[in-house]
Amino acid sequence: ETGVTQTPRHLVMGMTNKKSLKCEQHLGHNAMYWYKQSAKKPLELMFVYNFKEQTENNSVPSRFSPECPNSSHLFLHLHTLQPEDSALYLCASSQETSGGLKQYFGPGTRLTVT
Amino acid sequence: GQQLNQSPQSMFIQEGEDVSMNCTSSSIFNTWLWYKQDPGEGPVLLIALYKAGELTSNGRLTAQFGITRKDSFLNISASIPSDVGIYFCAGQALTGANNLFFGTGTRLTVIP
Repeated sequence: ETGVTQTPRHLVMGMTNKKSLKCEQHLGHNAMYWYKQSAKKPLELMFVYNFKEQTENNSVPSRFSPECPNSSHLFLHLHTLQPEDSALYLCASSQETSGGLKQYFGPGTRLTVT
Repeated sequence: GQQLNQSPQSMFIQEGEDVSMNCTSSSIFNTWLWYKQDPGEGPVLLIALYKAGELTSNGRLTAQFGITRKDSFLNISASIPSDVGIYFCAGQALTGANNLFFGTGTRLTVIP
């Protein structure tokens, strides 16, 4: 399944680095999401974009900055992260329909902050 | 946010056995989804449920939308080694809202 791709798959960065995560969906969907997955915790929704407009920001620290240039691409810019930000970052997309919500996930980026 | 309680947290079963897991919420959901996540990968959608009482199958997997709309169940019949992974339930609380709430997952281990 290559409907949603994410790069890089693994990233190690220092606390003073700046890096970006990229997500691309090939499903023709109009909504995209960033989630954080930490061990033994439910997936945490970070950001939601509908038709390129941000509709949700779940109290995410400003060191995470999303960007959605079009409905197929989503970025997460990282700056001065903390070790507790180490996690699997998942991108998802969905097509908003009256029949209910189905989100499709990418493989994730495993981020380690040193 | 909404709380989803998933049980059991982990299961160890023999190959060939059937598996049951469930998910309960503190409020009513309009959609229930079940995902499976393999190590190092993102969750893969298995089954989507949209109506109270709905029973839907996907191969050896069967899921049900509870009639109270506050719970859902996933059954796997005749388990095989590739069923190993973490199974997540997810629910959509409001029609039209793009938010899904996820459970903490059930980790399934199948012993050959």
